[in-house]
Amino acid sequence: QSVLTQPPSVSGAPGQRVTISCTGSSSNIGAGYDVHWYQQLPGTAPKLLIYGNRNRPSGVPDRFSGSKSGTSASLAITGLQAEDEADYYCQSYDSSLSGSTVFGTGTKVTVL
Amino acid sequence: QVQLVQSGAELKKPGASVKVSCKASGYTFTSYDINWVRQATGQGLEWMAWMNPDNGHTGYAQKLQGRITMTWNTSISTAYMELSSLRSEDTAVYYCARAVVAGTELDYWGQGTLVTVSS
Repeated sequence: QSVLTQPPSVSGAPGQRVTISCTGSSSNIGAGYDVHWYQQLPGTAPKLLIYGNRNRPSGVPDRFSGSKSGTSASLAITGLQAEDEADYYCQSYDSSLSGSTVFGTGTKVTVL
Repeated sequence: QVQLVQSGAELKKPGASVKVSCKASGYTFTSYDINWVRQATGQGLEWMAWMNPDNGHTGYAQKLQGRITMTWNTSISTAYMELSSLRSEDTAVYYCARAVVAGTELDYWGQGTLVTVSS
């Protein structure tokens, strides 16, 4: 069971801005641990999209941005494109669990 | 370029064990952790375990402790994940992924290995 909660789905028209929230607690995001985001296209492995709360790996468009505040984090996609239709997951570290990388529940982004 | 290449699909009976391999290339194998993540069909990502091939440290998700074993062979830059006492709910795609240290971002992923548990 995930300890990071995301909305099951979000949608938007091409060109619009959508945001995905990732809500944690005082033992993970709220404890200061970084949040990372992944994009998973159908039938493929997840791809790192944002690391360290707001940093983009080389090759990731600047339409994707991340932020973090308190016990939550957010991923924003501006100028939504058809190719952005995918599942998105947040990830962090949880100090209350042994071993302890944790993923969010996942969000399906639909481009209308 | 960094690559993680996993072994092929497996079909196992309940109660059996499965061993999945993950061969790394394009970087120094002992400089990064290897994590294992699985995903049941239509479900989200579930973190399973991590290993440090340099110092031998490992960490496991609590629910899998006792059933999961991670090993590695540095001479061939390959990590292995063995899951025992398989049950139907272990049916999933299993991924290996690289991280700088435990809990940090997973920057490169293997292609995934489908493990099906069925009688």
